[in-house]
Amino acid sequence: RKEVEQDPGPFNVPEGATVAFNCTYSNSASQSFFWYRQDCRKEPKLLMSVYSSGNEDGRFTAQLNRASQYISLLIRDSKLSDSATYLCVVTASGGYQKVTFGTGTKLQVIP
Amino acid sequence: ETGVTQSPTHLIKTRGQQVTLRCSSQSGHNTVSWYQQALGQGPQFIFQYYREEENGRGNFPPRFSGLQFPNYSSELNVNALELDDSALYLCASSLGGAGANVLTFGAGSRLTVL
Repeated sequence: RKEVEQDPGPFNVPEGATVAFNCTYSNSASQSFFWYRQDCRKEPKLLMSVYSSGNEDGRFTAQLNRASQYISLLIRDSKLSDSATYLCVVTASGGYQKVTFGTGTKLQVIP
Repeated sequence: ETGVTQSPTHLIKTRGQQVTLRCSSQSGHNTVSWYQQALGQGPQFIFQYYREEENGRGNFPPRFSGLQFPNYSSELNVNALELDDSALYLCASSLGGAGANVLTFGAGSRLTVL
């Protein structure tokens, strides 16, 4: 089983739709969680951190479920500019803090 | 504020050759980590450098090595290149360990091994 698993998609959704991505992780000692966005042939950029209580940033909502070991990202009112790959990132302690990326979920917002 | 810069942006090598990739960290960041991203995959952690020492390593063989310099810039060296080493190599800097802190990535060096 992969340490961090995501549905690779692609998710093809119309503009204005709501879309949700899930990510599961296998290490129960994981400490920090993030969503990064990666545009085609570009570097990943931080979208948002994920906090235990859940957090929202405009149209984006991230949630963490430690008991079930998954995190989610909800995008409301999808825009064409949201088309990208969304990477789930999980970190665990181990002397240094080990950073593990999921394979990413590709989103294509259609006009 | 200067971001993370990587060089070269693209390069082509043949099997068995050696390559050195370079990274300048963002101003104020003291930790550099390197990632390999194959096509269609997420970035895979190679190693991390803090205060000029490697303090974490992923599942990569010893032919992947690195350095960090006093100005926090870094190099990734790969010896005896294999076809499977073809990938985008990403450098990320952070303040403190990469785990709990936001990673700022460079644009990457795209390596093709023929």
